[in-house]
Amino acid sequence: SAVISQKPSRDICQRGTSLTIQCQVDSQVTMMFWYRQQPGQSLTLIATANQGSEATYESGFVIDKFPISRPNLTFSTLTVSNMSPEDSSIYLCSVEGGRGSLFFGPGTRLTVL
Amino acid sequence: GQQVMQIPQYQHVQEGEDFTTYCNSSTTLSNIQWYKQRPGGHPVFLIQLVKSGEVKKQKRLTFQFGEAKKNSSLHITATQTTDVGTYFCALLSDRSYQLTFGKGTKLSVIP
Repeated sequence: SAVISQKPSRDICQRGTSLTIQCQVDSQVTMMFWYRQQPGQSLTLIATANQGSEATYESGFVIDKFPISRPNLTFSTLTVSNMSPEDSSIYLCSVEGGRGSLFFGPGTRLTVL
Repeated sequence: GQQVMQIPQYQHVQEGEDFTTYCNSSTTLSNIQWYKQRPGGHPVFLIQLVKSGEVKKQKRLTFQFGEAKKNSSLHITATQTTDVGTYFCALLSDRSYQLTFGKGTKLSVIP
């Protein structure tokens, strides 16, 4: 199993600002995934981040709003840009856990005022 | 892409009662996974089912994959307060490791 840490664990931000979320894994992984979980809702995949290439975004998510970096095989960042209250969510990074399963990080709880 | 409908959305049970959540699809599924998310926590992988009619058990939890591979269920026998949380089913897409989650069933257990 992988141990995943995220920073920050929570934040309260003003609208119009940006927040960068960091995800660190204790082992090298090929793919990292960023999910969003809006209050009381299910998980929605934002993008897949591979080291050395551009992230692949799902429908409804764009790079200008959610730029992602993947500088090496153990680290990734997700930036939530020009935030609005609708961006208030839990943002989770995850990595492959074998046979298609995922390990999730503890999440970053974002509140936008 | 493929989607699943998960029911019920909420379930309140008395401690000791059984609980079941269902995932249904209109198309044949290649696999289905189940996750548990405790209140304030993150999703944790429970199991993956891939074979038609498959039944797997983990202590008081029983997971089933339908014969037609269009539905799945998670059954908890004699619920305990530690079972509280939201249970999600999820599909692994044809593009490896991209999971689509159901809406989840939130379980409350009354002591």
